[in-house]
Order: sequence, then structure tokens, then C-alpha cells
Amino acid sequence: QQPVQSPQAVILREGEDAVINCSSSKALYSVHWYRQKHGEAPVFLMILLKGGEQKGHEKISASFNEKKQQSSLYLTASQLSYSGTYFCGTGGPGGKLIFGQGTELSVKP
Amino acid sequence: SAVISQKPSRDICQRGTSLTIQCQVDSQVTMMFWYRQQPGQSLTLIATANQGSEATYESGFVIDKFPISRPNLTFSTLTVSNMSPEDSSIYLCSTGTGGFYNEQFFGPGTRLTVL
Repeated sequence: QQPVQSPQAVILREGEDAVINCSSSKALYSVHWYRQKHGEAPVFLMILLKGGEQKGHEKISASFNEKKQQSSLYLTASQLSYSGTYFCGTGGPGGKLIFGQGTELSVKP
Repeated sequence: SAVISQKPSRDICQRGTSLTIQCQVDSQVTMMFWYRQQPGQSLTLIATANQGSEATYESGFVIDKFPISRPNLTFSTLTVSNMSPEDSSIYLCSTGTGGFYNEQFFGPGTRLTVL
């Protein structure tokens, strides 16, 4: 079952903050966050594990609420380089990932 | 993280033909995965390829259409057979260690256009 991301798109000014949510109807064991710029491969940001969270980057962090079966990605003091499409992926048996539909983030000067 | 390369980076093919995409990793990896990303869409898992065993396909994908080889721990191929314009997509391979918690790293992708 594909996780659901919200919002679908967001436009920010440099320095503003954003939150991207990822929800699943099934129990989550791990949530993986990726950023993909146009024409490039997805780049791994961080992984959050059941029972804990892992901060992957300065100013980009995430939380994992097992009870609510959701994860949130927080981007603070956004920079132009943060622009791209953000995908969450839920971990499953055998290591496979099921990705959400993506959130397109545009940071304007 | 592993460094992953794919060949070709892009191709334009005629309907009814087949294309084999290669994925090379600079270190030995347990799991390799093949994804499809249609324009403006998310990534959809096609199959999981383990060395020494047959690939495991996701619902909607079949071996006759997308045969996969995994001859060793650093290499895999995906063939897109009997292509139609609906197969126009970006095809990406990724690697992982397996299990719920493994990080996956993606190759640069192969952009396929079928005329």
C-alpha cells in the first residue's frame, strides 16, 4: 500500500520552514526520506526506525510516530538547494521500499 | 555509500524491440532493486534481484516482459521486452543490504523513449 504524502506541492521563500508528512494505513517499521532534483536520481536523506528517529542533515530532520503510522520531514531556514521532489518510502520485507507520490518543494529567492 | 552506474543513460527505441539496461556497483551488495519512474510520477518497484536466485517481481510486472539477471554481487541487468510507448520511463536500479532498515542508494537512471 502506497504511503500518502502531503502537501503535494509547496512554494517557499528562502529562510522559511516547511513540513512534509507521510502517512500509511499499515504499520510502519521504517521510513526512508529521499530528495530528487529534476533529471537526477533520488538522493538518500535519512531513515527513521521503529522506536526511534535519526537526524540525517543539519536543518533537515524528521520524526516518526508509530502510533499514528506517520512520519514528518522538517526543513528549517530553507535554502535554494532544498528545491526538488521529496519522497518518503516505507520499508518492507526483503528491504524493498514503497514510495509515496512525492512532494514538490520550490524555494524562491 | 555504494557508487552505482547504469548503461545506457538514455535510449530511443522502436516499438516491438527490446532493450537491456545494465547496473554496475563498485562494491558487493546483497540486494539490488529495479524501479520504474514514469514522467512526473513516483518510483514503482519492478522487482528485487538477489544473486543466485530468480528475481522476485511485484504485482503488475512479469518476468516475460522484464527479465532480470543477477550473475554476481556487483552487477544486474533488466531487459524491457517487446516495448510499447507505455514503457517510456526512467528505469533505476538501487542497492541495499536487505531487511526493513536498509538504506538504498540509486543509480543515475536510464531514460527510455519508445516510439
